[in-house]
Amino acid sequence: EIVLTQSPATLTLSPGERATLSCRASQSVTNYLAWYQQKPGQAPKLLIYDTFNRATGIPARFSGSGSGTDFTLIISSLEPEDSAVYYCQQRGDWPPITFGQGTRLEIK
Amino acid sequence: QVQLVESGGGVVQPGRSLRLSCAASGYSFSDYGMHWVRQAPGKGLEWVSVISDGGRNRYYADSVKGRFTISRDTSENTLSLQMNSLRVEDTAVYYCVKDYRVYSTSGILEHWGQGTLVTVSS
Repeated sequence: EIVLTQSPATLTLSPGERATLSCRASQSVTNYLAWYQQKPGQAPKLLIYDTFNRATGIPARFSGSGSGTDFTLIISSLEPEDSAVYYCQQRGDWPPITFGQGTRLEIK
Repeated sequence: QVQLVESGGGVVQPGRSLRLSCAASGYSFSDYGMHWVRQAPGKGLEWVSVISDGGRNRYYADSVKGRFTISRDTSENTLSLQMNSLRVEDTAVYYCVKDYRVYSTSGILEHWGQGTLVTVSS
């Protein structure tokens, strides 16, 4: 089973700043890495799939990069509504699908 | 638009059974694979199971293998999860999730329902 490790656990930034979230896989997932956003009391929402493809309706300020074992989600200019927990997920070697433990992003 | 509505959650004693359902609408249900993903209170996401678009292929997380069974009813546009021999650690919100890719099961979790809470407690 592929283990995904996200860092940092918590990130606190101000509106307009740039957020960089990392996800490291225990073995290569090629480019089969997705990112999800979960706000309190809501279901997760697909943001990015296969490393850099934005899902339908996702703003361009969200971008993804990486390959193999190291991946990054960048939010270029933070909005207050970007406060959420962000999860990475791999489908490079599944089943099982696995998720990272999440990064909590706080906008102060 | 795609809608996924879960039902069937509740409080159940350890060792008992529960059946979750997910009513799908707004798309061609039979053309897409479907997943169950769960989230224990205050914890992260855990993938539970997948069923292919035609229902032939089914896979499970090791934590539920042999206890849970995923199924789908194309005539009713419904996904189900039969959960037997429930354990305290199965307590979670269970999400029904539509796969992204048509006629295959990509593992990209595109649309999520709002979830149904299962509490296993004596």
